[in-house]
Amino acid sequence: AQSVTQLGSHVSVSEGALVLLRCNYSSSVPPYLFWYVQYPNQGLQLLLKYTSAATLVKGINGFEAEFKKSETSFHLTKPSAHMSDAAEYFCAVSENTGFQKLVFGTGTRLLVSP
Amino acid sequence: SQTIHQWPATLVQPVGSPLSLECTVEGTSNPNLYWYRQAAGRGLQLLFYSVGIGQISSEVPQNLSASRPQDRQFILSSKKLLLSDSGFYLCAWGVLGYTFGSGTRLTVV
Repeated sequence: AQSVTQLGSHVSVSEGALVLLRCNYSSSVPPYLFWYVQYPNQGLQLLLKYTSAATLVKGINGFEAEFKKSETSFHLTKPSAHMSDAAEYFCAVSENTGFQKLVFGTGTRLLVSP
Repeated sequence: SQTIHQWPATLVQPVGSPLSLECTVEGTSNPNLYWYRQAAGRGLQLLFYSVGIGQISSEVPQNLSASRPQDRQFILSSKKLLLSDSGFYLCAWGVLGYTFGSGTRLTVV
């Protein structure tokens, strides 16, 4: 069975600082990996996805993530945090065969201080 | 372009009352559809998914059921709500990375 682990339920950064949100996955087959963002009382919005092409994936709002098979990781980064980045972020994994059901992590809340 | 609609946005229901949440997708045919529930600190739990009309798969035994009466319509129901059914319910569609609706905040009192 697939799973993802997001390290840190809360991450705090200052505006302008580097954002690093950690995600490790477990999958018995080559995975597809995703990062979503959720603002309060809203649905989830896809930030970026890895589908076995380039290992460094660029997404919306200046975010990017790097797939590292040796570390089973897919950490999300942004060079400079904005106040508007404050939200909850979810990492998700699916198999690249069959039904491709998404399995989500428990989320990391990003807090950005001025 | 494809859009997904989910309603209502918020709902307060007494214990033991019925539930019906509706989700519709526009701009695509025969989409894979999903119902997720989000509880605080627990991420998103897949409840049901459907690959076609009348085809429903349940992930977790519970007090809820789902139906797909039309190609782009997905309904989440309960005959009698429990307090534990409270949460944020999200509908989604797609295959490789989902598109989510705006969610329904259900409070059972």
